[in-house]
Amino acid sequence: EAQVTQNPRYLITVTGKKLTVTCSQNMNHEYMSWYRQDPGLGLRQIYYSMNVEVTDKGDVPEGYKVSRKEKRNFPLILESPSPNQTSLYFCASSLKGSPYEQYFGPGTRLTVT
Amino acid sequence: AQSVTQLGSHVSVSEGALVLLRCNYSSSVPPYLFWYVQYPNQGLQLLLKYTSAATLVKGINGFEAEFKKSETSFHLTKPSAHMSDAAEYFCAVSSFGNEKLTFGTGTRLTIIP
Repeated sequence: EAQVTQNPRYLITVTGKKLTVTCSQNMNHEYMSWYRQDPGLGLRQIYYSMNVEVTDKGDVPEGYKVSRKEKRNFPLILESPSPNQTSLYFCASSLKGSPYEQYFGPGTRLTVT
Repeated sequence: AQSVTQLGSHVSVSEGALVLLRCNYSSSVPPYLFWYVQYPNQGLQLLLKYTSAATLVKGINGFEAEFKKSETSFHLTKPSAHMSDAAEYFCAVSSFGNEKLTFGTGTRLTIIP
């Protein structure tokens, strides 16, 4: 089954404790992206990747890092989480070029206390 | 720059009534337009997309949307609401050669029995 998986689905952590949210897709997609969803703000792009070893900032990259060492994986790293990073995070992937459909993972709900 | 405005963060309709969710876009280049649906505790799923072919686009679950360039609109409609349509709906815009999706703030649709 074609899918995007994220782990963990739920995470509660404390300020400053480094964490990684994993994202993996099995569709051989070149393009991958991370979004955060906040009430009243919709989805905002954090980082994206056009291919292995190629990443770039989205609209709200501050406080986040990503890497793309393999085509299928695109982890999101919060090196020193803060409460304002409490949010619902989605990973998405698609073929390169528009307007291909972006496939979304199930989401990771992160709470930073 | 591209942007999307969704009028009405909450819409309630009776079961069997017409569903109308509004989306207006701003784009300096010909846009590609998308509607995504998010069911509770799930990721986003593509409902339909406009890619400069037919202006009336039919999607899954009986939804359709019409691209109106003169009004810069891409409103989503369904003739008869079903209880299973209760979800949050997002309009998004991209353009040729640009995989980035810019989302609206979303509209939560409630169906009244």
